[in-house]
Amino acid sequence: DVKVTQSSRYLVKRTGEKVFLECVQDMDHENMFWYRQDPGLGLRLIYFSYDVKMKEKGDIPEGYSVSREKKERFSLILESASTNQTSMYLCASRLRDFSNQPQHFGDGTRLSIL
Amino acid sequence: GNSVTQMEGPVTLSEEAFLTINCTYTATGYPSLFWYVQYPGEGLQLLLKATKADDKGSNKGFEATYRKETTSFHLEKGSVQVSDSAVYFCALSDGGATNKLIFGTGTLLAVQP
Repeated sequence: DVKVTQSSRYLVKRTGEKVFLECVQDMDHENMFWYRQDPGLGLRLIYFSYDVKMKEKGDIPEGYSVSREKKERFSLILESASTNQTSMYLCASRLRDFSNQPQHFGDGTRLSIL
Repeated sequence: GNSVTQMEGPVTLSEEAFLTINCTYTATGYPSLFWYVQYPGEGLQLLLKATKADDKGSNKGFEATYRKETTSFHLEKGSVQVSDSAVYFCALSDGGATNKLIFGTGTLLAVQP
C-alpha cells in the first residue's frame, strides 16, 4: 500500500514565523500535492509538483512556497505565518498525471497560528 | 470553469437505512469522477471511481454511476453502518494538462445505532 506520511499531526506556531510542513511518500510517485481543508470550503489546492524540482501554483498559492529536492519529499513553506493560515493541511501523491489514477493522502497536519 | 456541487450535510441516518449523497458536476470534456471518504482524524481515502459515462464504481457496498446526461455521480449504499460515519467528498479530475482534482465541499454522514 502507498504510504504518505506527514511529519506532524498537530502544530502550533506564532504569527510571523517561518513554518515548514513535510510530506514523504514511499511509492516512487511522480506527482505530489498540497491542499488545505477548511469547513464549508472542501479541499483547495495550494501547490503541486509533477516531478523533482518541478512545481506549479494551485488555486490559492499566496503566502506559501514549496520545495521538491527529492522525489519522495514535498515540503510546504509558510514564509511568514498569519492567523488566516490556521487550517488542516493535506499532502497527496499520485502515480504520474493520468486522470484515472487516484491521489493517495496523508493523515493531515492541523496547524494553528497564534 | 470545472466545479463539483454536493449536498450539504450533515446527513443523519439510523443503522441499516438507505443512503444517497447527491453530487453534480460542471466540466468540459470527459472528466473522471471520484468519491473519497475521510474518517475522523484521518486523511482522505479513495472510495470508488468512474472514468467514463455509464460506468459504475463500487466498493464496500457503496455505488455511484457516472451519468453524463444529468452530469451527476450520486453515492448510494443500501444499508449503512455506524462505521460508515465520515465525511464524503465528490471530486472530478479535470483532464487538462495538470489533471488536478476538483473537490466538492464534503458531506458529513452520521449513522446512529
